[in-house]
Amino acid sequence: DVKVTQSSRYLVKRTGEKVFLECVQDMDHENMFWYRQDPGLGLRLIYFSYDVKMKEKGDIPEGYSVSREKKERFSLILESASTNQTSMYLCASSHGGAPGANVLTFGAGSRLTVL
Amino acid sequence: SQQGEEDPQALSIQEGENATMNCSYKTSINNLQWYRQNSGRGLVHLILIRSNEREKHSGRLRVTLDTSKKSSSLLITASRAADTASYFCATAETGANNLFFGTGTRLTVIP
Repeated sequence: DVKVTQSSRYLVKRTGEKVFLECVQDMDHENMFWYRQDPGLGLRLIYFSYDVKMKEKGDIPEGYSVSREKKERFSLILESASTNQTSMYLCASSHGGAPGANVLTFGAGSRLTVL
Repeated sequence: SQQGEEDPQALSIQEGENATMNCSYKTSINNLQWYRQNSGRGLVHLILIRSNEREKHSGRLRVTLDTSKKSSSLLITASRAADTASYFCATAETGANNLFFGTGTRLTVIP
């Protein structure tokens, strides 16, 4: 069963900590995405990557960075976590081409709480 | 960014009834997709309809697209308790590098 795996379902961190959210897909997809989901705001794109070592900013990249050293892995990094980054983080992947051209396969999500 | 907007925000129906959710958007699109999300989980793709299509079916799901009105609807027929979830539309806008998601419709199917 093909899938996208997010390393942590629940995390609790303190303000100022560095946070790593890991995502791995086994579908050989070229595109990978990080979204955050907040009540009333829907899903908002943080970053996406269309190839190894390539990244593009989404709608809300401030306070985040990403790393894609291998095709199957896409990491989201919060350099210094803040309380307004408390959210559900969703990783997704898709085949190559324009990101909207293909369907997304999502991971189960990582719920981050920053105290 | 231009999100799709779902309507209604919440919908509660009895098992066996049909559920209809609507999505409106603002710009030209290449395709529109519907996703489902069970509480606290990731999203699952349901159906994709391209801009040159008007209707599409998948099992108990029926999706329509009216590009002149910039709107789409998702119909779930003969609903089941297991259909309880949030449903999101996502638009692939022409020239954009992103799928834009709406805020979702929360569907509750009462057994």
